[in-house]
Amino acid sequence: ELKVEQNPLFLSMQEGKNYTIYCNYSTTSDRLYWYRQDPGKSLESLFVLLSNGAVKQEGRLMASLDTKARLSTLHITAAVHDLSATYFCAVDRTGNQFYFGTGTSLTVIP
Amino acid sequence: KAGVTQTPRYLIKTRGQQVTLSCSPISGHRSVSWYQQTPGQGLQFLFEYFSETQRNKGNFPGRFSGRQFSNSRSEMNVSTLELGDSALYLCASSLAPGLNNEQFFGPGTRLTVL
Repeated sequence: ELKVEQNPLFLSMQEGKNYTIYCNYSTTSDRLYWYRQDPGKSLESLFVLLSNGAVKQEGRLMASLDTKARLSTLHITAAVHDLSATYFCAVDRTGNQFYFGTGTSLTVIP
Repeated sequence: KAGVTQTPRYLIKTRGQQVTLSCSPISGHRSVSWYQQTPGQGLQFLFEYFSETQRNKGNFPGRFSGRQFSNSRSEMNVSTLELGDSALYLCASSLAPGLNNEQFFGPGTRLTVL
């Protein structure tokens, strides 16, 4: 069974700092997705990465995919409080059957 | 364009009862997937439907079932509810089961089993 691991599980960072969330997965896949979830809310799509070397950026967030290393990263630049949320990566091998990571709970402290 | 809608949003049941949850996909989307989210197990895939057929099923007992109608709306049913079934149930829709399709999630149904 495909396993997806994220680290760290919890991240507390100061405003203005940079940090990276890592997502490792156990079997070959070319499709990786990042989602954001606010408390009590559903999942909001952030990035869709569909090939090796894919890099996408939106505001202070940048995601990348290395399919050879089975690794995706979500980099946060100059964090602000509004980025506080739980971030999930998900890997899709068969089409619409997502395997989610454990999630990274991010708290940005003023 | 309206997003994925799920009804009801909240539900309280007792052990042994059964429950039916409903999901209406984004207009034009024909694939619907269901996920269970719990603090202990995280987000887990339940099943996926396309053209009224179940394509994939996750590792859940037979008490969990679903179906899809000709208008792409989907329902999932849980029979003989257990305390451990308390969770947020999320529905996601996409255009089709193609490998490059993005899934869009609904607001979820929060089920509490007492």
